[in-house]
Amino acid sequence: EAQVTQNPRYLITVTGKKLTVTCSQNMNHEYMSWYRQDPGLGLRQIYYSMNVEVTDKGDVPEGYKVSRKEKRNFPLILESPSPNQTSLYFCASSPYFAGEGVETQYFGPGTRLLVL
Amino acid sequence: SQQGEEDPQALSIQEGENATMNCSYKTSINNLQWYRQNSGRGLVHLILIRSNEREKHSGRLRVTLDTSKKSSSLLITASRAADTASYFCASANAGGTSYGKLTFGQGTILTVHP
Repeated sequence: EAQVTQNPRYLITVTGKKLTVTCSQNMNHEYMSWYRQDPGLGLRQIYYSMNVEVTDKGDVPEGYKVSRKEKRNFPLILESPSPNQTSLYFCASSPYFAGEGVETQYFGPGTRLLVL
Repeated sequence: SQQGEEDPQALSIQEGENATMNCSYKTSINNLQWYRQNSGRGLVHLILIRSNEREKHSGRLRVTLDTSKKSSSLLITASRAADTASYFCASANAGGTSYGKLTFGQGTILTVHP
């Protein structure tokens, strides 16, 4: 089954304790992205990657890191989480065709993060 | 940074009525996408319209795009209670340093009463 998986689905942590949220897709998509969703703010893009070893900042990259060492995986790293990073996080992937822009996103189920 | 905007923020209708949601964006785009989200779950893609298209249909969905006004609308005809969800537009930036960015609107919460 074609899908995007995220782990963990729920996470409670404390300020400053490094954490990683994993994201994996089995559709051989070139493009992957992380978003956070907060009430009243919709989805905001954190980082995106158009291919292996290529990553770029989205609209809200502060406090986050990503890496793209393999095509299927795109982990999101919070080196020193703070309470304002409490949010619902989504990973997504899509094919990428030069000149066509970002295509239809296939979303993972989301990760609910609470930072105390 | 600023996001796209959607209106209305909330829409409440009766089953069988049509629902129209509007989206505005700020930059030049390659395409505009509409998604649906049920109560905090993952987003599901509904329809994508490219910048050289003006209208697109999919089942009960009709999307229009006006690039001169930087706006799009989503029409759901003959709505059903099962259409109750949040709807988001997302604009795929064209060119420049933000080529790979996808900017979402803040969403419209649609409630369809049986």
